[in-house]
Amino acid sequence: AQSVAQPEDQVNVAEGNPLTVKCTYSVSGNPYLFWYVQYPNRGLQFLLKYITGDNLVKGSYGFEAEFNKSQTSFHLKKPSALVSDSALYFCAVRVPYGGATNKLIFGTGTLLAVQP
Amino acid sequence: ETGVTQSPTHLIKTRGQQVTLRCSSQSGHNTVSWYQQALGQGPQFIFQYYREEENGRGNFPPRFSGLQFPNYSSELNVNALELDDSALYLCASSSFEGRANTEAFFGQGTRLTVV
Repeated sequence: AQSVAQPEDQVNVAEGNPLTVKCTYSVSGNPYLFWYVQYPNRGLQFLLKYITGDNLVKGSYGFEAEFNKSQTSFHLKKPSALVSDSALYFCAVRVPYGGATNKLIFGTGTLLAVQP
Repeated sequence: ETGVTQSPTHLIKTRGQQVTLRCSSQSGHNTVSWYQQALGQGPQFIFQYYREEENGRGNFPPRFSGLQFPNYSSELNVNALELDDSALYLCASSSFEGRANTEAFFGQGTRLTVV
């Protein structure tokens, strides 16, 4: 069965320090992986995706993610955290369903708190 | 902001009632998916519509149904509401291009409270 795990409910980091939000996945076949961010009372905003190619994927707002096939991980990173990065972050995997189906399986989310 | 809009933003219904939520997809997108996000959890896939037909369904009972219209907008209908249906309902649009979908872009959600 396809699944995504985000082992940390919350990550705390000081502004200006690097941040990492962890994600591991379990899929059959090649994974399509995504990161989304959710601000309070808002929908999900797309940050970045890995389909194929370079293991380091760059996305919006200075975020990047590293795909590691051997460790089945797709950790989200940013070299220097901002207070405005504080939000709920979701890792997701696209389920190969056939045809046009675009089903995403989400992790439980990680709350990122950046202290000034 | 994405071009996906949902209405209403908030809704309060009584147990046993029916509700209809609406979604307008981003321009150029032909596929709409619906997700339920309970408090403190990740979104759960309800179903997807493509070419006005349901094209994939998650683990939700038949009282969750939907429609997609020729302009690719969509409705989510829930009958016989239960207290556990209280959640944020998210609509996501994407474009199916041949063999694969583009990434999904989400609306701001409809917060449904069942009392």
